[in-house]
Amino acid sequence: GIQVEQSPPDLILQEGANSTLRCNFSDSVNNLQWFHQNPWGQLINLFYIPSGTKQNGRLSATTVATERYSLLYISSSQTTDSGVYFCAAGGGNTDKLIFGTGTRLQVFP
Amino acid sequence: NAGVMQNPRHLVRRRGQEARLRCSPMKGHSHVYWYRQLPEEGLKFMVYLQKENIIDESGMPKERFSAEFPKEGPSILRIQQVVRGDSAAYFCASSPSGGAYEQYFGPGTRLTVT
Repeated sequence: GIQVEQSPPDLILQEGANSTLRCNFSDSVNNLQWFHQNPWGQLINLFYIPSGTKQNGRLSATTVATERYSLLYISSSQTTDSGVYFCAAGGGNTDKLIFGTGTRLQVFP
Repeated sequence: NAGVMQNPRHLVRRRGQEARLRCSPMKGHSHVYWYRQLPEEGLKFMVYLQKENIIDESGMPKERFSAEFPKEGPSILRIQQVVRGDSAAYFCASSPSGGAYEQYFGPGTRLTVT
């Protein structure tokens, strides 16, 4: 099945800094989603992006399906961006999402 | 337009009791997925259901766990004779169809087994 790897595992930023999170997947996908899990455990949908580029405010994401990776960009980070960012991929003959192990982001004022 | 709803949000059970977790999908969605997140880990797929059908249960433990999605009412994840290792957050997601559709996640049920 599909394997999903995320990097870096941990990221510490000062408020206002920019960052790039990476997600590599081992096979072709028809579903690629990014999530933010806040410190209270709530899972928030950020992007559904099996290919191409999308932007939502300070966040944007790009998936290059032919090279099997996706990037999440966070610009002008804020303390409320803290939490764990998960990438999840689905494809082949299964509809389930396979989650990466996440990137834990801490933003300090 | 209400999102995916799960209840209860928090559930405490003693070892050996039964836990029932409920999930109501988004309006118009007929596909439901259950995922489990153990402490300090990522989410792992458990089961995928359509109305009255289990499509993929490859992630379900072989014993004590079952899931259903009846024609009427919410999807239910049932854990019999709970053990401490079942303590986790259980998330439900829904989509309008199978295949290449975004899955929308609920707030989760946090199960604690004492």
